[in-house]
Amino acid sequence: DVKVTQSSRYLVKRTGEKVFLECVQDMDHENMFWYRQDPGLGLRLIYFSYDVKMKEKGDIPEGYSVSREKKERFSLILESASTNQTSMYLCASSSGGSLAKNIQYFGAGTRLSVL
Amino acid sequence: AQTVTQSQPEMSVQEAETVTLSCTYDTSENNYYLFWYKQPPSRQMILVIRQEAYKQQNATENRFSVNFQKAAKSFSLKISDSQLGDTAMYFCAFATNPFYGGATNKLIFGTGTLLAVQP
Repeated sequence: DVKVTQSSRYLVKRTGEKVFLECVQDMDHENMFWYRQDPGLGLRLIYFSYDVKMKEKGDIPEGYSVSREKKERFSLILESASTNQTSMYLCASSSGGSLAKNIQYFGAGTRLSVL
Repeated sequence: AQTVTQSQPEMSVQEAETVTLSCTYDTSENNYYLFWYKQPPSRQMILVIRQEAYKQQNATENRFSVNFQKAAKSFSLKISDSQLGDTAMYFCAFATNPFYGGATNKLIFGTGTLLAVQP
Protein backbone atom coordinates (compact mmCIF):
# COMPACT_ATOMS: atom_id res chain seq x y z
CA ASP A 1 0.00 0.00 0.00
CA VAL A 2 1.03 3.55 -0.70
CA LYS A 3 1.99 5.41 2.42
CA VAL A 4 2.05 9.19 2.68
CA THR A 5 3.26 10.33 6.07
CA GLN A 6 2.93 13.82 7.47
CA SER A 7 5.26 14.49 10.35
CA SER A 8 2.73 16.06 12.73
CA ARG A 9 -1.00 15.58 13.26
CA TYR A 10 -1.35 18.72 15.36
CA LEU A 11 0.82 21.78 15.52
CA VAL A 12 0.48 25.02 17.47
CA LYS A 13 2.65 27.97 16.48
CA ARG A 14 2.83 31.66 17.23
CA THR A 15 2.32 34.49 14.79
CA GLY A 16 5.53 35.33 12.98
CA GLU A 17 7.18 31.94 13.50
CA LYS A 18 8.68 30.03 10.59
CA VAL A 19 6.82 26.73 10.24
CA PHE A 20 7.84 23.57 8.42
CA LEU A 21 5.35 20.89 7.48
CA GLU A 22 6.96 17.70 6.27
CA CYS A 23 5.57 15.00 4.01
CA VAL A 24 7.18 11.73 2.97
CA GLN A 25 5.88 9.14 0.50
CA ASP A 26 7.23 5.63 0.03
CA MET A 27 6.04 4.77 -3.48
CA ASP A 28 8.60 6.58 -5.61
CA HIS A 29 5.90 8.93 -6.90
CA GLU A 30 6.94 11.76 -9.18
CA ASN A 31 4.21 14.17 -8.14
CA MET A 32 3.57 15.64 -4.73
CA PHE A 33 0.98 18.17 -3.63
CA TRP A 34 0.13 20.40 -0.70
CA TYR A 35 -3.49 21.33 -0.06
CA ARG A 36 -5.23 23.44 2.49
CA GLN A 37 -8.63 22.26 3.73
CA ASP A 38 -11.09 24.71 5.25
CA PRO A 39 -14.79 24.18 6.10
CA GLY A 40 -17.03 25.22 3.24
CA LEU A 41 -14.08 25.73 0.89
CA GLY A 42 -13.03 22.16 0.21
CA LEU A 43 -9.40 21.49 -0.68
CA ARG A 44 -7.37 24.19 -2.31
CA LEU A 45 -4.01 23.54 -3.94
CA ILE A 46 -1.12 25.52 -2.50
CA TYR A 47 1.87 24.11 -4.42
CA PHE A 48 2.77 20.99 -6.29
CA SER A 49 5.96 19.38 -7.53
CA TYR A 50 6.40 17.04 -10.46
CA ASP A 51 10.08 16.29 -9.92
CA VAL A 52 12.94 16.88 -7.53
CA LYS A 53 13.71 20.58 -7.21
CA MET A 54 10.73 21.41 -9.45
CA LYS A 55 7.71 23.22 -8.11
CA GLU A 56 4.67 25.02 -9.40
CA LYS A 57 2.27 27.38 -7.72
CA GLY A 58 -1.24 26.21 -7.10
CA ASP A 59 -4.30 28.33 -6.51
CA ILE A 60 -3.33 29.90 -3.17
CA PRO A 61 0.50 30.09 -2.92
CA GLU A 62 0.71 33.44 -1.14
CA GLY A 63 2.45 33.19 2.21
CA TYR A 64 3.84 29.72 1.48
CA SER A 65 6.90 28.19 -0.11
CA VAL A 66 7.95 24.59 -0.71
CA SER A 67 11.07 22.50 -0.97
CA ARG A 68 11.70 19.20 -2.68
CA GLU A 69 15.32 18.16 -2.36
CA LYS A 70 14.61 14.43 -2.49
CA LYS A 71 11.97 12.58 -4.45
CA GLU A 72 10.23 11.15 -1.42
CA ARG A 73 10.02 14.36 0.63
CA PHE A 74 8.01 17.52 0.04
CA SER A 75 8.06 20.30 2.61
CA LEU A 76 5.66 23.18 3.02
CA ILE A 77 7.10 26.30 4.60
CA LEU A 78 5.26 29.17 6.20
CA GLU A 79 7.90 31.89 6.27
CA SER A 80 6.06 34.00 8.85
CA ALA A 81 2.95 32.30 10.16
CA SER A 82 -0.21 34.33 10.44
CA THR A 83 -3.53 33.57 12.11
CA ASN A 84 -5.27 33.25 8.74
CA GLN A 85 -3.05 30.26 8.02
CA THR A 86 -4.74 28.27 10.77
CA SER A 87 -6.08 25.31 8.85
CA MET A 88 -5.82 21.61 8.02
CA TYR A 89 -2.97 20.88 5.62
CA LEU A 90 -3.02 17.78 3.46
CA CYS A 91 -0.15 16.31 1.51
CA ALA A 92 -0.71 13.98 -1.45
CA SER A 93 1.35 12.11 -3.99
CA SER A 94 0.73 10.46 -7.34
CA SER A 95 2.64 8.68 -10.06
CA GLY A 96 3.38 10.51 -13.25
CA GLY A 97 2.49 9.45 -16.74
CA SER A 98 -0.91 9.08 -18.26
CA LEU A 99 -4.13 10.46 -16.96
CA ALA A 100 -5.29 6.93 -16.26
CA LYS A 101 -2.63 6.30 -13.64
CA ASN A 102 -2.85 9.52 -11.79
CA ILE A 103 -4.67 8.82 -8.54
CA GLN A 104 -3.65 10.94 -5.59
CA TYR A 105 -2.86 9.34 -2.25
CA PHE A 106 -3.24 11.46 0.83
CA GLY A 107 -1.56 11.79 4.19
CA ALA A 108 -3.55 12.01 7.42
CA GLY A 109 -3.24 15.78 7.56
CA THR A 110 -1.66 18.33 9.88
CA ARG A 111 -4.00 20.59 11.82
CA LEU A 112 -2.09 23.83 12.30
CA SER A 113 -3.17 26.49 14.77
CA VAL A 114 -1.45 29.86 14.64
CA LEU A 115 -1.99 31.92 17.78
CA ALA B 1 -11.44 27.64 -15.53
CA GLN B 2 -12.75 24.35 -14.25
CA THR B 3 -15.07 24.32 -11.26
CA VAL B 4 -16.69 21.59 -9.19
CA THR B 5 -19.91 22.19 -7.27
CA GLN B 6 -21.39 20.08 -4.50
CA SER B 7 -24.70 21.64 -3.53
CA GLN B 8 -25.43 19.45 -0.51
CA PRO B 9 -23.27 20.48 2.47
CA GLU B 10 -24.77 17.78 4.70
CA MET B 11 -26.87 14.66 4.23
CA SER B 12 -28.21 11.95 6.45
CA VAL B 13 -29.28 8.39 5.65
CA GLN B 14 -30.51 5.43 7.65
CA GLU B 15 -28.35 2.35 7.81
CA ALA B 16 -29.07 -0.10 4.94
CA GLU B 17 -30.75 2.57 2.82
CA THR B 18 -29.51 4.15 -0.41
CA VAL B 19 -28.29 7.71 -0.73
CA THR B 20 -27.16 9.82 -3.67
CA LEU B 21 -24.65 12.65 -3.44
CA SER B 22 -24.69 15.28 -6.19
CA CYS B 23 -21.82 16.86 -8.06
CA THR B 24 -21.72 19.12 -11.09
CA TYR B 25 -18.67 20.47 -12.83
CA ASP B 26 -17.77 22.91 -15.54
CA THR B 27 -15.06 22.42 -18.14
CA SER B 28 -14.39 22.96 -21.80
CA GLU B 29 -12.09 19.94 -22.00
CA ASN B 30 -13.13 16.66 -23.53
CA ASN B 31 -10.71 14.24 -21.92
CA TYR B 32 -10.70 14.20 -18.13
CA TYR B 33 -11.31 12.11 -15.05
CA LEU B 34 -13.80 12.51 -12.25
CA PHE B 35 -13.31 11.17 -8.75
CA TRP B 36 -15.13 10.70 -5.49
CA TYR B 37 -12.92 10.78 -2.42
CA LYS B 38 -14.00 9.87 1.11
CA GLN B 39 -12.58 11.45 4.26
CA PRO B 40 -13.73 9.62 7.42
CA PRO B 41 -13.59 11.52 10.71
CA SER B 42 -9.96 12.03 11.75
CA ARG B 43 -8.74 9.64 9.07
CA GLN B 44 -7.02 9.82 5.72
CA MET B 45 -8.77 10.73 2.53
CA ILE B 46 -9.15 7.73 0.23
CA LEU B 47 -10.36 7.25 -3.31
CA VAL B 48 -13.84 5.72 -3.57
CA ILE B 49 -14.40 5.61 -7.29
CA ARG B 50 -13.31 7.25 -10.54
CA GLN B 51 -14.81 7.74 -13.98
CA GLU B 52 -13.11 8.28 -17.31
CA ALA B 53 -14.90 10.94 -19.33
CA TYR B 54 -14.62 9.07 -22.61
CA LYS B 55 -16.30 5.96 -21.16
CA GLN B 56 -20.07 5.94 -21.35
CA GLN B 57 -20.45 3.11 -18.88
CA ASN B 58 -20.89 4.25 -15.30
CA ALA B 59 -18.20 3.10 -12.87
CA THR B 60 -19.10 0.74 -10.04
CA GLU B 61 -17.14 -0.36 -6.97
CA ASN B 62 -19.12 -2.74 -4.79
CA ARG B 63 -21.81 -0.65 -3.06
CA PHE B 64 -20.65 2.56 -4.71
CA SER B 65 -21.70 3.58 -8.19
CA VAL B 66 -21.82 6.78 -10.19
CA ASN B 67 -24.29 8.34 -12.56
CA PHE B 68 -22.15 10.17 -15.09
CA GLN B 69 -24.05 12.51 -17.41
CA LYS B 70 -21.40 14.12 -19.61
CA ALA B 71 -23.68 16.46 -21.51
CA ALA B 72 -25.19 17.73 -18.28
CA LYS B 73 -21.76 17.80 -16.60
CA SER B 74 -23.14 15.85 -13.68
CA PHE B 75 -21.39 13.16 -11.64
CA SER B 76 -23.43 11.82 -8.73
CA LEU B 77 -22.40 9.11 -6.28
CA LYS B 78 -24.86 6.45 -5.16
CA ILE B 79 -24.17 4.49 -2.01
CA SER B 80 -26.31 1.38 -1.64
CA ASP B 81 -26.93 -0.51 1.61
CA SER B 82 -25.37 2.31 3.63
CA GLN B 83 -23.18 1.28 6.55
CA LEU B 84 -22.08 3.15 9.65
CA GLY B 85 -18.54 3.16 8.28
CA ASP B 86 -19.72 5.21 5.32
CA THR B 87 -20.06 8.22 7.63
CA ALA B 88 -17.54 10.70 6.20
CA MET B 89 -16.99 13.84 4.21
CA TYR B 90 -17.25 13.07 0.51
CA PHE B 91 -15.44 15.18 -2.06
CA CYS B 92 -16.06 15.22 -5.77
CA ALA B 93 -12.95 16.05 -7.79
CA PHE B 94 -12.02 16.76 -11.39
CA ALA B 95 -8.63 16.01 -12.93
CA THR B 96 -7.28 18.48 -15.43
CA ASN B 97 -5.32 17.41 -18.43
CA PRO B 98 -1.67 16.53 -17.89
CA PHE B 99 0.58 19.45 -17.23
CA TYR B 100 4.01 19.89 -18.79
CA GLY B 101 3.78 16.94 -21.11
CA GLY B 102 1.84 14.62 -18.88
CA ALA B 103 3.82 14.76 -15.68
CA THR B 104 1.06 15.81 -13.33
CA ASN B 105 -2.64 16.00 -12.91
CA LYS B 106 -4.01 18.64 -10.63
CA LEU B 107 -7.25 17.83 -8.85
CA ILE B 108 -9.97 20.42 -8.48
CA PHE B 109 -12.20 19.65 -5.51
CA GLY B 110 -15.74 20.53 -4.60
CA THR B 111 -16.58 21.84 -1.16
CA GLY B 112 -17.65 18.45 0.13
CA THR B 113 -20.79 16.74 1.44
CA LEU B 114 -20.83 15.53 5.02
CA LEU B 115 -22.73 12.25 5.10
CA ALA B 116 -24.02 10.84 8.37
CA VAL B 117 -25.27 7.26 8.42
CA GLN B 118 -27.75 6.80 11.25
CA PRO B 119 -28.20 3.45 13.01
